[in-house]
Amino acid sequence: DTGVSQNPRHKITKRGQNVTFRCDPISEHNRLYWYRQTLGQGPEFLTYFQNEAQLEKSRLLSDRFSAERPKGSFSTLEIQRTEQGDSAMYLCASRPGGGKNTEAFFGQGTRLTVV
Amino acid sequence: AQTVTQSQPEMSVQEAETVTLSCTYDTSESNYYLFWYKQPPSRQMILVIRQEAYKQQNATENRFSVNFQKAAKSFSLKISDSQLGDTAMYFCAIYNAGNMLTFGGGTRLMVKP
Repeated sequence: DTGVSQNPRHKITKRGQNVTFRCDPISEHNRLYWYRQTLGQGPEFLTYFQNEAQLEKSRLLSDRFSAERPKGSFSTLEIQRTEQGDSAMYLCASRPGGGKNTEAFFGQGTRLTVV
Repeated sequence: AQTVTQSQPEMSVQEAETVTLSCTYDTSESNYYLFWYKQPPSRQMILVIRQEAYKQQNATENRFSVNFQKAAKSFSLKISDSQLGDTAMYFCAIYNAGNMLTFGGGTRLMVKP
């Protein structure tokens, strides 16, 4: 297993455009998370899936943001009508079921720059 | 809501020396789990060490150990025999009942030769 994979690694887009990011978790992990991280700050929780069900969404996830995880496998995060404030690193993490002590594995992130 | 606070934005240590990174947290849960994650300049986050709140014994992983003070809601990370490869951002984190991992703002650690 190669770990959590995120694509693309970098994305530059013009303000107002839509962008979509993809996350491929570790195959046996049923839990998947999206986080947003700005430079020099800690990751901020966006949303959480258990299998295909989206169980939690942060208030940070405005109506311009949508996330899916069809069939409980890969996940996509779409940002519509991007704004300069959306510029950040978007991190995906996955972990297996079980207790809260299980480790979350992170991808390398997608760095979004809105110009 | 759970919060995690790291009061040291930046720290530096000489190679082979020991450094301690501070973390305090707030939670209403009685059973929870605490983590320290490392994020090297390449940006991929990796787990350093974890602590289960119901265990009184402090966790250790090779050169990394924690000082867990449950009553004070404190969870510091000690790195012994610091190495150049320890240079990274370090994040303290806690799991809540909703399976959401909440992070602190991070401490940037620089290990100097």
